[in-house]
Amino acid sequence: GIQVEQSPPDLILQEGANSTLRCNFSDSVNNLQWFHQNPWGQLINLFYIPSGTKQNGRLSATTVATERYSLLYISSSQTTDSGVYFCAVPLNLNTNAGKSTFGDGTTLTVKP
Amino acid sequence: DVKVTQSSRYLVKRTGEKVFLECVQDMDHENMFWYRQDPGLGLRLIYFSYDVKMKEKGDIPEGYSVSREKKERFSLILESASTNQTSMYLCASNPTGAPYEQYFGPGTRLTVT
Repeated sequence: GIQVEQSPPDLILQEGANSTLRCNFSDSVNNLQWFHQNPWGQLINLFYIPSGTKQNGRLSATTVATERYSLLYISSSQTTDSGVYFCAVPLNLNTNAGKSTFGDGTTLTVKP
Repeated sequence: DVKVTQSSRYLVKRTGEKVFLECVQDMDHENMFWYRQDPGLGLRLIYFSYDVKMKEKGDIPEGYSVSREKKERFSLILESASTNQTSMYLCASNPTGAPYEQYFGPGTRLTVT
């Protein structure tokens, strides 16, 4: 199956700082999502981004499928951005895009 | 807005009890999933269903079964709960066609004592 690696595993920022989270994957994919897991455990959809760039407020994401990576940018971070960020790609190239494999996540802590 | 709901946010059960976790989605998605999440182990797929009455084992199906009698509802069953099934359980759904965007429920924190 496709392997997913996220970096860094942990990130501590001061409020207001910018950050870049990275997701590398081992094969070309037609499907990639970024999630934020809040302190209560729910995974919130941030971006569905199989290719290109998307922006949503202070967050933006870029996926370069041919180079097998995706980046999540957080600008002017706030304490509410704290939590774990996951990327997910299809489990393998033959899936109907139903089954996903997840990275281990980046744990972000934003200090006031 | 897609909504995936789970029957309980927190649940405490005793060893040996039969436990039902229910998940309902309102977007007519074909695919539904049950994951468990444990510290240091990430999200692991327990079972997957791609249609009513259809199911497929995930990575860790032992000790679990599932039921999908209606398209919108996917149930996870712990036949005889054990302490090693104490975990966070997450339900998700997504359509078969693009975009394959997956949506998660709020999760159920199950403690088996």
